[in-house]
Amino acid sequence: AQTVTQSQPEMSVQEAETVTLSCTYDTSESDYYLFWYKQPPSRQMILVIRQEAYKQQNATENRFSVNFQKAAKSFSLKISDSQLGDAAMYFCAYRMDSSYKLIFGSGTRLLVRP
Amino acid sequence: EAGVTQFPSHSVIEKGQTVTLRCDPISGHDNLYWYRRVMGKEIKFLLHFVKESKQDESGMPNNRFLAERTGGTYSTLKVQPAELEDSGVYFCASSPPGLAEAFFGQGTRLTVV
Repeated sequence: AQTVTQSQPEMSVQEAETVTLSCTYDTSESDYYLFWYKQPPSRQMILVIRQEAYKQQNATENRFSVNFQKAAKSFSLKISDSQLGDAAMYFCAYRMDSSYKLIFGSGTRLLVRP
Repeated sequence: EAGVTQFPSHSVIEKGQTVTLRCDPISGHDNLYWYRRVMGKEIKFLLHFVKESKQDESGMPNNRFLAERTGGTYSTLKVQPAELEDSGVYFCASSPPGLAEAFFGQGTRLTVV
């Protein structure tokens, strides 16, 4: 069965600095998708970044980038130049290519210190 | 464009009562999903609709939960009778055909006392 593990329940970063959130997963599939979702307090969950497993190049969206290591089954999220608005719960998620079902990690709460 | 909308945002009910959660997906999104997060644990999949048909309901915990999607538009998730362990946040999401990611609503926080 596929599993997603986020080993950091909470992380803290100083505003304008860089932080990396960890995510590992377990699967025997070769084709799949990985996602990072962000949920600000009392607001809806939004997609931060997406990575297709067949792509070797790491996905990047402005200040957000991933380090995708397929062999190691690792998918970390780097947030550069952290802003107060980045404070949120961050969820790592996995989806097989053949299914729409998302499998989530337990989440990492990111605190941003002014 | 309106996002995924869930009603109510919060609900507090007594054990044994019935609660119905509603989800309005983004217009044109054939796929609709229900997830829930219980006691600060992982967000777990409940079920997946394609239009009005249940594509995958492998995550539904038991027969106290009933999901419907009338006419392939909005969806309801009924819990009857509610138990204490049903407390948590229920998320709805939707996606158009062929898109990998899903768009989530803000969730309904259900508290059973």
